[in-house]
Amino acid sequence: KNEVEQSPQNLTAQEGEFITINCSYSVGISALHWLQQHPGGGIVSLFMLSSGKKKHGRLIATINIQEKHSSLHITASHPRDSAVYICAVLIQGAQKLVFGQGTRLTINP
Amino acid sequence: NAGVTQTPKFRVLKTGQSMTLLCAQDMNHEYMYWYRQDPGMGLRLIHYSVGEGTTAKGEVPDGYNVSRLKKQNFLLGLESAAPSQTSVYFCASSPDGPYTGELFFGEGSRLTVL
Repeated sequence: KNEVEQSPQNLTAQEGEFITINCSYSVGISALHWLQQHPGGGIVSLFMLSSGKKKHGRLIATINIQEKHSSLHITASHPRDSAVYICAVLIQGAQKLVFGQGTRLTINP
Repeated sequence: NAGVTQTPKFRVLKTGQSMTLLCAQDMNHEYMYWYRQDPGMGLRLIHYSVGEGTTAKGEVPDGYNVSRLKKQNFLLGLESAAPSQTSVYFCASSPDGPYTGELFFGEGSRLTVL
């Protein structure tokens, strides 16, 4: 079983829909990252969380440490949000990031 | 601002050939990482460095060597390429470590070993 599981693996939605991508992990962590990988391949850091919630523009990330779960929400989705979204967790006590397999999001106009 | 720059972007090698991937960052970051990305798998750490002159093994170090002679550069070498090393390679950097904030990634280097 992977230490980090993302769901869904693929998600297709219409422009304007509210999007939720989930990340569950099975180990103790110090922090969790959400990353965006563009169709061209480049990877951009979106958030780093250790508790609670963070918001940047239309993106919201939440984490529940007790339940070992994080969600990435996109409000008023747009075709330019189409990308692969990757969750990565920092294993507690180790300088090691473990990455999920990613969620491929496609927003149709 | 350049950020993290990887060269080359694409390379095709024959089995047994050697090559070096260069990662350069202009943000004065202490930590640098080399990852590989394969279909259906998450990014996996090959080697990392916590400062000039230091390197350490990651999750999948076999078949690779690294050097960090200058703070801004992190080199990944393949001494004798194998088809299993066909992958997309990403370099990343961070100011103080993966737990302190943002990671900065290069655009990736696609390597094919025939």
